[in-house]
Amino acid sequence: GAVVSQHPSRVICKSGTSVKIECRSLDFQATTMFWYRQFPKKSLMLMATSNEGSKATYEQGVEKDKFLINHASLTLSTLTVTSAHPEDSSFYICSAGAGWVGEKLFFGSGTQLSVL
Amino acid sequence: DQQVKQNSPSLSVQEGRISILNCDYTNSMFDYFLWYKKYPAEGPTFLISISSIKDKNEDGRFTVFLNKSAKHLSLHIVPSQPGDSAVYFCAASENYGQNFVFGPGTRLSVLP
Repeated sequence: GAVVSQHPSRVICKSGTSVKIECRSLDFQATTMFWYRQFPKKSLMLMATSNEGSKATYEQGVEKDKFLINHASLTLSTLTVTSAHPEDSSFYICSAGAGWVGEKLFFGSGTQLSVL
Repeated sequence: DQQVKQNSPSLSVQEGRISILNCDYTNSMFDYFLWYKKYPAEGPTFLISISSIKDKNEDGRFTVFLNKSAKHLSLHIVPSQPGDSAVYFCAASENYGQNFVFGPGTRLSVLP
């Protein structure tokens, strides 16, 4: 099946630094990628939809300047958490899909971010 | 406001018996539903889907039932196997889109 690679799987950083998370579709072209955030014992919350070559669409309540998304190619999207704070600590996961109706999303393995 | 609910955070079932995982939704515009399975340290993987024009979809040991009037769907696993132990997420979208709303998940434990 299709593979989506997400790196890093775990990152610990100091407050105020920026962290970049990469999401790559390894064997298909992903016109659309999605970024989610999951709090403990909560569901995956969609943060933004990333379309190749255009600006990301952010969900209500998600700070665009805090969570920068770049989808520069059909196989790579990045999420940068800028000036990270402890409240940004969470599990971030990406998914990718190509095509339309009935498409199944393929998920990365997630990134656990811990901000000290 | 949680649009997709999975009211049972966990479920334990004996090997060989049926596992029934439930999901309720509030948005009547949802027309496409999926179940994902997630093992620790891995991303969710697609399991089975159903569109609103059907009320049942079957794939091997997995069957999903959709009751649109009740805004309820369920996943049946028969027979349950220890390898089925995982967290199961229900997800729903409008217009058969890829923008899914996920439930909080149910942790299934199949006991040998």
